[in-house]
Amino acid sequence: AAGVIQSPRHLIKEKRETATLKCYPIPRHDTVYWYQQGPGQDPQFLISFYEKMQSDKGSIPDRFSAQQFSDYHSELNMSSLELGDSALYFCASSLLGSATNEKLFFGSGTQLSVL
Amino acid sequence: GDSVTQMEGPVTLSEEAFLTINCTYTATGYPSLFWYVQYPGEGLQLLLKATKADDKGSNKGFEATYRKETTSFHLEKGSVQVSDSAVYFCALTLSGGYNKLIFGAGTRLAVHP
Repeated sequence: AAGVIQSPRHLIKEKRETATLKCYPIPRHDTVYWYQQGPGQDPQFLISFYEKMQSDKGSIPDRFSAQQFSDYHSELNMSSLELGDSALYFCASSLLGSATNEKLFFGSGTQLSVL
Repeated sequence: GDSVTQMEGPVTLSEEAFLTINCTYTATGYPSLFWYVQYPGEGLQLLLKATKADDKGSNKGFEATYRKETTSFHLEKGSVQVSDSAVYFCALTLSGGYNKLIFGAGTRLAVHP
């Protein structure tokens, strides 16, 4: 079965550069979530989208923005990167309103390293 | 606010030992509760879940019971294996909250032969 696909798997950037992370949800899933997991930390919710509209917002810095496109894939754009942005960024998807709507499927994550 | 508290790790056990990882929560309303597992270098995988009080989630020999009276969802396994070595996260979602997960800090489990 198809899973949540994230790209790239690894990304190395320098301070003050920009980065774009992509997430392709499971087909027919309408909701996408972004999480940030720092080294040795628990995942922190950043932002979510339902039917291409922002549905919830967590601890996402103003330097970051995200959107969900018409094909339901999502992109997380990160500007003016800082060393502290180095983390594993997870995307998850779900089908809101289904019988299994409380189950999120996670991608393998994008490991971002800011040098 | 809504939060999840789980026991600090690392938890180090010998193979075939009994495992308990404590998890308690604070939430308004009626949350659903989850255990996720993260193996080294991999993403989060759902291990088990419970959506209402007294429900028991189980998978791969792991169990957890939703205890509303003690606001707990402790993870247990009767006999751990080396392959269970991973980080375990307790988490909750709130009804009507678009399924946003709130995670505990994670507990690292190391199982030795």
